[in-house]
Amino acid sequence: DAKTTQPTSMDCAEGRAANLPCNHSTISGNEYVYWYRQIHSQGPQYIIHGLKNNETNEMASLIITEDRKSSTLILPHATLRDTAVYYCIVRVGGTSGSRLTFGEGTQLTVNP
Amino acid sequence: EAQVTQNPRYLITVTGKKLTVTCSQNMNHEYMSWYRQDPGLGLRQIYYSMNVEVTDKGDVPEGYKVSRKEKRNFPLILESPSPNQTSLYFCASSPLVGEAFFGQGTRLTVV
Repeated sequence: DAKTTQPTSMDCAEGRAANLPCNHSTISGNEYVYWYRQIHSQGPQYIIHGLKNNETNEMASLIITEDRKSSTLILPHATLRDTAVYYCIVRVGGTSGSRLTFGEGTQLTVNP
Repeated sequence: EAQVTQNPRYLITVTGKKLTVTCSQNMNHEYMSWYRQDPGLGLRQIYYSMNVEVTDKGDVPEGYKVSRKEKRNFPLILESPSPNQTSLYFCASSPLVGEAFFGQGTRLTVV
């Protein structure tokens, strides 16, 4: 699986959009980009995934560059409860469960 | 409600005393796996299973055993726990295609 690079930490004001970047310059054509988050020491929670088109769901939007070498997770109106570690993971195909490789992720802190 | 249930949530035990952490999912998922999380090392996969009676080693399998006799259950067994297995453990399940669901974690301390 392709390696990902994320900033160690980011801050965001409550109510503003949080934009979390991820670099995956060695991504292959059949690899998807997944985002999970972990609030404090709870189990990681799935957010969104995509292949090459931009995706949106009730939690977030995922913007993937045309060359697919990087992506951005957007939380449109961050709340205090969005404070968490966000993980960007690249996986072959759509099967996300068997071998998820978590890096260190980005610690997002949403400030009042 | 779709969920992955781990038990116990907290456990303190002594070196060498066999223990089992249970994991159960109610979503009929094929894949199940175990991870451990340690400060500075992130989440690392211990074992995974692609279906009943099919298991394979992850990145850090030493000192652990698993079994998958039923689709819904995937217990993690520590035959002779040691202090370096003190960690936060997560069980996860997922379908063949789709996202993984994680349990709430088991905080294990081996003294």
